[in-house]
Amino acid sequence: DVKVTQSSRYLVKRTGEKVFLECVQDMDHENMFWYRQDPGLGLRLIYFSYDVKMKEKGDIPEGYSVSREKKERFSLILESASTNQTSMYLCASSRKGAGDYEQYFGPGTRLTVT
Amino acid sequence: SQKIEQNSEALNIQEGKTATLTCNYTNYSPAYLQWYRQDPGRGPVFLLLIRENEKEKRKERLKVTFDTTLKQSLFHITASQPADSATYLCARGDAGNMLTFGGGTRLMVKP
Repeated sequence: DVKVTQSSRYLVKRTGEKVFLECVQDMDHENMFWYRQDPGLGLRLIYFSYDVKMKEKGDIPEGYSVSREKKERFSLILESASTNQTSMYLCASSRKGAGDYEQYFGPGTRLTVT
Repeated sequence: SQKIEQNSEALNIQEGKTATLTCNYTNYSPAYLQWYRQDPGRGPVFLLLIRENEKEKRKERLKVTFDTTLKQSLFHITASQPADSATYLCARGDAGNMLTFGGGTRLMVKP
C-alpha cells in the first residue's frame, strides 16, 4: 500500500518560532509538493520539488522555504511562524513524466500559530 | 494565472439519485483535469483523470466529461450512496507536473 506520511497531525506553535513540517513517501516518486488548505480558498501550492535539491516556487511561497536532501523526504520550513500561517498543510508526491500522473496525499498537518 | 472554479455551495441529494458536480476553468484548456475526493480531516484521494482530447471517462459509478467549448468538466456519481458524501476537488494540469485546484464542492447524500 503506497504511503505518504507527515510528521505530525496537529501542531501548535508560537508566533516567531521556526517550524519544520516533514513529509516522507515510500513510492520512489520524483515529484513532491507542499500545499496549504484554507476554507474558501482551496488547496494552494507553496513549493514543488522535482528532484533532490531541486525546487520551484508555487503560488504562495512567501514566508516558507523547503528542503529536499533525500528523494523520499521533503521538508517545509516556516522561518518565523505568524498567525496567518495557521492552516492545514498537505504534502503530496507523484511520478515525474508527461505531467498527468495522479498525486498521492498525506493525511495533513493542522498547524495553529498563537 | 489559470483558475478553476467549483460551486462552493454544498450539493444535497437523495440516495439513489445522480449527483452532478461542475468544474469551470478560465483561459485556455488544460492538458488534463483530475478529480479527487476528500473526507474531513484527510488528504485528497485521486479518482479520475480526463485529457483534453477525451470527451468522457468512466470508472464504476463515476463519469467525468470535458467540454472545451463550455470550458467545463462535469463529474457524475450515479446511484449515489451516503458513503459518497465528501468534498470533491477538481484540478487542472498544464505543462509540467503542477496542478491548480478548485475550492471543492461538498456533496451530502441523504438516506
